[in-house]
Amino acid sequence: NAGVIQTPRHKVTGKGQEATLWCEPISGHSAVFWYRQTIVQGLEFLTYFRNQAPIDDSGMPKERFSAQMPNQSHSTLKIQSTQPQDSAVYLCASSPGGGAPLFGEGTRLSVL
Amino acid sequence: GQQVQQSPASLVLQEGENAELQCNFSSTATRLQWFYQHPGGRLVSLFYNPSGTKHTGRLTSTTVTNERRGSLHISSSQTTDSGTYFCAIDRSSGSWQLIFGSGTQLTVMP
Repeated sequence: NAGVIQTPRHKVTGKGQEATLWCEPISGHSAVFWYRQTIVQGLEFLTYFRNQAPIDDSGMPKERFSAQMPNQSHSTLKIQSTQPQDSAVYLCASSPGGGAPLFGEGTRLSVL
Repeated sequence: GQQVQQSPASLVLQEGENAELQCNFSSTATRLQWFYQHPGGRLVSLFYNPSGTKHTGRLTSTTVTNERRGSLHISSSQTTDSGTYFCAIDRSSGSWQLIFGSGTQLTVMP
């Protein structure tokens, strides 16, 4: 079991470009979470899926950010018109129903 | 909303010394977790400990839920223990959506 896989590990975009981040949860895990980590804000919850259905996206910025889980094997986080303040490490985690989440290594997004 | 405070923010030890990391939270949490993160590395779960005391190796987690506090004790520290330790609680009861503290950065000197 390779654990939660996130791609790419690093992404550099220019201001105003779109960024799509990918997460492959652990097979059999029913819950998928996205978090963001910055030096200033620390670790922040973004959104959560259970059995592919969006459950809570209250941590997501209302504009430009969207997340999807089209099938049980991957989830995507899309940021439109990226801004320098979007620069962060984006972490995906998955958990079995009712279990503690296991985290991926993250995608470091740098917006120039 | 829920808040999590960790102390100290940073800690420097000589190898072999013990460490005590503290976590205080704003309301009765149903779950408290401790995570370790090496610089540039993934968050690794150390303990899920809603209450009581748990041990693994040189690590001991103690959670006193009704006093809204938890602690992580590291005995006989090693240089490989260096990194950041986070505690986290449920964002809402039973949700597994976590609110993290700001972390304790531990440096163990040889």
